[in-house]
Order: sequence, then structure tokens, then C-alpha cells
Amino acid sequence: AQSVTQPDIHITVSEGASLELRCNYSYGATPYLFWYVQSPGQGLQLLLKYFSGDTLVQGIKGFEAEFKRSQSSFNLRKPSVHWSDAAEYFCAVGALGFQKLVFGTGTRLLVSP
Amino acid sequence: NAGVTQTPKFQVLKTGQSMTLQCAQDMNHEYMSWYRQDPGMGLRLIHYSVGAGITDQGEVPNGYNVSRSTTEDFPLRLLSAAPSQTSVYFCASRGSGRVSSYEQYFGPGTRLTVT
Repeated sequence: AQSVTQPDIHITVSEGASLELRCNYSYGATPYLFWYVQSPGQGLQLLLKYFSGDTLVQGIKGFEAEFKRSQSSFNLRKPSVHWSDAAEYFCAVGALGFQKLVFGTGTRLLVSP
Repeated sequence: NAGVTQTPKFQVLKTGQSMTLQCAQDMNHEYMSWYRQDPGMGLRLIHYSVGAGITDQGEVPNGYNVSRSTTEDFPLRLLSAAPSQTSVYFCASRGSGRVSSYEQYFGPGTRLTVT
């Protein structure tokens, strides 16, 4: 069965520092991978997605993610975090012919001044 | 385009009551789905639909019913509410066709409390 693991429940980063959020997936076929962000009380916004091709994917708000098939990982990165990036981040894999998304449990990012 | 809309935004129910959460999209998307979000558990799929008249169960379907009579609407019915159904519910839709267009659009959510 498909699964997504986000090993960090909370991460605190200083404003201006770099960020890496970890995501590991389990899926037998070629995965479709996504990162979503959720601000408090809001819905989910797509940051970026990977289907095929270049393994380094650029997204909105200065985020990028790298797909590493050998490590079954799709880690999210940002070189310099802003206070407005404080939110919860979800990694997801498309499954069942992409009729559904399987989500990780999320990582809450806190940004310290 | 309004995208994916959900009503109501908030709802409080007593145990045993029934209600319908509404979801509509104006993007002519074939695929629609309902998720629930609980702390520490991410989002879990309740039911999904691949087109009008076609629905299927997700991971956590018990206690919920769906139907899809039109492309635009995908209501979620709680038959007899239980405290375990206290959650935030998200509706999502996506188009079909090229895989590169496979992006799910999410509604703003409905926060449901069952007492």
C-alpha cells in the first residue's frame, strides 16, 4: 500500500536560515509527488509537484524539492525562510492511477525572529 | 472561477443528528473527493468520484454517504453523527487528461464539531 512518512512533527528555523523538510514515500510504481502548505485555519495550497523529468522541481514562494528515487525521498527546501512561511506542510503521493492522494502526517514549521 | 466551494464553514451537531456538507466546483473537473483532517493524522480519504454517477470508498468511509448526480456537485452526508466525526472536512477536485495537469484543488474546509 502507498504511504508517506514525514518524520519531523515540528521544526523551528530562524528567519533567514535555510530549511529542509523531509518526506519519504512508499509506492510500487512511478510516483506522482506533491507538497502542500496549509496556513492556520486555511485550506491547502499546492507548492510544487513532480511527475517525471528533472528531479529538481521549482515551486511557488521560493520553494524547491528534489526527487531521489534511490532514497524514496522528496524533500522540500528553501534557502532563506521568511516569517510568513510559518505553516503546516504536507507531502503527498498520487495513487490508484491518481484517483486519490495519500498524505503524510504533516510538519509544522515555526519561524523564530 | 470560484474554484472549489464548501458550505458551511462551521457546524456543530449533536450526536445522532444527520447533515450534508456541500461541495461544488466550477472547473468542469471529473474527479472529486472528500478528505478529513485530524491532528497528527494528515488528511485521509473518505470517498471519491471519477465522474457523475460513479463513486467509491476511500480509507475511512464508515458513517458517510456520497452521491454524484452532476459534474459540479459532490455532497457528503453524515447519516448519524458521532463525536469521532469531529474533524475538518476538505473537498477536492482535479481534471483529467494529461498527467501533468493532475493537480488537486482544495476547498476552504468545513469545521465540524459533534457533541
